Amino acid sequence: NAGVTQTPKFQVLKTGQSMTLQCAQDMNHEYMSWYRQDPGMGLRLIHYSVGAGITDQGEVPNGYNVSRSTTEDFPLRLLSAAPSQTSVYFCASSYFVGREQYFGPGTRLTVT
Amino acid sequence: AQTVTQSQPEMSVQEAETVTLSCTYDTSENNYYLFWYKQPPSRQMILVIRQEAYKQQNATENRFSVNFQKAAKSFSLKISDSQLGDTAMYFCAFIETSGSRLTFGEGTQLTVNP
Repeated sequence: NAGVTQTPKFQVLKTGQSMTLQCAQDMNHEYMSWYRQDPGMGLRLIHYSVGAGITDQGEVPNGYNVSRSTTEDFPLRLLSAAPSQTSVYFCASSYFVGREQYFGPGTRLTVT
Repeated sequence: AQTVTQSQPEMSVQEAETVTLSCTYDTSENNYYLFWYKQPPSRQMILVIRQEAYKQQNATENRFSVNFQKAAKSFSLKISDSQLGDTAMYFCAFIETSGSRLTFGEGTQLTVNP
């Protein structure tokens, strides 16, 4: 099992550009989520999904879109990058809501 | 709303000694899970140990154990026989059994000295 994988590991964007962060898991987990980690603020939930075709907003959803067409994949789209979106992004999955989540290796994003 | 507080931003310990990291939380829920995650310099978030709130017995995973005090809403992590590889940021986290969001504390940076 590869677990939770994320690509790319690093990305630099200019303000206004768009991009998609990829996340995949091979554990047949129903629940997937995206967090961002900022210094001094811990991890905050951006969006989550409780199954294919079902997504919902987390704590800090503005500026991000998600979709879940398959159980395995949960991409995060930045629509128009802003410097405030400079952060480390983690994808996580869990076999069920309300249980321990397993994290991908993270993507460090810098927006200039 | 749930909150998780780690009052020790930094701690250090000598190799082979024991260290305890503190965590308190606030919730009105009765059914939940608590976790400790480790984040080494590689940035990977690694699950160290979990505790189910309805279980009175404290969880143990090899050198890692917790002291779960439900009434006091306290959840400390004890690391025995500390190793250099234990150097990392440690996060306490909470989730309701029906919840979608892990709530994290601010983290404690642990350094194990040789």
